[in-house]
Parts: sequence; structure tokens; C-alpha cells
Amino acid sequence: GNSVTQMEGPVTLSEEAFLTINCTYTATGYPSLFWYVQYPGEGLQLLLKATKADDKGSNKGFEATYRKETTSFHLEKGSVQVSDSAVYFCALRMVTRRALTFGSGTRLQVQP
Amino acid sequence: NAGVTQTPKFQVLKTGQSMTLQCAQDMNHEYMSWYRQDPGMGLRLIHYSVGAGITDQGEVPNGYNVSRSTTEDFPLRLLSAAPSQTSVYFCASSPDDYYSGNTIYFGEGSWLTVV
Repeated sequence: GNSVTQMEGPVTLSEEAFLTINCTYTATGYPSLFWYVQYPGEGLQLLLKATKADDKGSNKGFEATYRKETTSFHLEKGSVQVSDSAVYFCALRMVTRRALTFGSGTRLQVQP
Repeated sequence: NAGVTQTPKFQVLKTGQSMTLQCAQDMNHEYMSWYRQDPGMGLRLIHYSVGAGITDQGEVPNGYNVSRSTTEDFPLRLLSAAPSQTSVYFCASSPDDYYSGNTIYFGEGSWLTVV
């Protein structure tokens, strides 16, 4: 079946540090890939997405590139802020199933 | 811009009670779904629907019922609540045109505790 594996958290960084959250996937076929963010006490918001190999999704300074050869979709940001503290979920979606398959989430804590 | 609206936001139930979590969307989306979120497990699909009158089971359907009488509404029913159903529940919707890149939009969540 399809699956998503994320690095375990929490990830604790100082403000302005570089962020990488690793995400790899297993899928039969060609999924679309997503990063969702969940701020404390809130629902999930789409952060960025990529729908085919070598696509780069970007939003709010975050980036992720769809790497088919390594089945990865790592999330990066050059300079994190305290306001980026949240849980980040990597997910994939196959057209045949329509639902999202989520990773377990990675909590990011940014300290001033 | 209401998007996906869930009610209630918080609920405490006693074991054996039943209740319904409401979900409504105003985006005319065909696809709607319910997920539950448990610590360290991400979100898991409970039930989904690809249009009015059509529902199907997801990954963890036991103990839950759904119906889809209109495009807008997709309620989730807990038949006889159990402590294992303590979780955060998210309703989601998306256009259903067989494009996997379509964004799935989530509600703000319903925190349910079963004692």
C-alpha cells in the first residue's frame, strides 16, 4: 500500500536557523505530494504541493521538491521564525483513491 | 468565506452514548471525508463520499456511520462511543474530478473525549 514516512520530532531550532524536515513516500503509481501545517489548536492548512516529478512547491518561504528518483519531498526553509512553530504533515494523494495518506507529523519548535 | 465548517468543536461523551459530528462545506465540492488524528499517527481516513448518496469506508471505519443526503453536508455518527474513539476529528472536502493535485480543504477539527 501507499505510505509516508517523516522524521520524528520534535525539531527544536533557534530563530533564523535553516530548517529541513525529511519526507519519503512509497506509492504504486505517481502521486501528488503535499505539506500541511497545523498550528496549535487549529485545523490543517495546505502549505505547499507538487503534482509531478521535479516540481517545486513553495509558500511563505518554505520549499519542497518532488524527487521521483529518491521518492522524497523534503521541506526546507532558509530562516525560521517563532511563528513557524507548528506540526508539519507530509502527505500523498493518488487519483484512484482520492484520499490523502499522511505521515505521522513533525513538531517544530522555534525558540527566540 | 466559510469553507468547511465543523460542529461541535469540543465534546465530552460517556461510554455508550451516541452523537453526531456535523460537517458542512459551501464550495460545491463533490468529495468529502472524515479523518481522525491520534498522537504519533498522523491522520487516518474513517469514511468518505464522492457525491450525494454515495459513501464508502476508509482505513478505520468501525464504530462510525456516515450519510450524504446533500452535496453540502456529511455528518459522522458515533453509534456507541468508546474510550478508543477519543480523538480529534477532521472533516475535509475537495473537488472530485479525478485530479490528484486538487487541494483537500480541512475544517478546524472537533475534539472528542469519551470517558
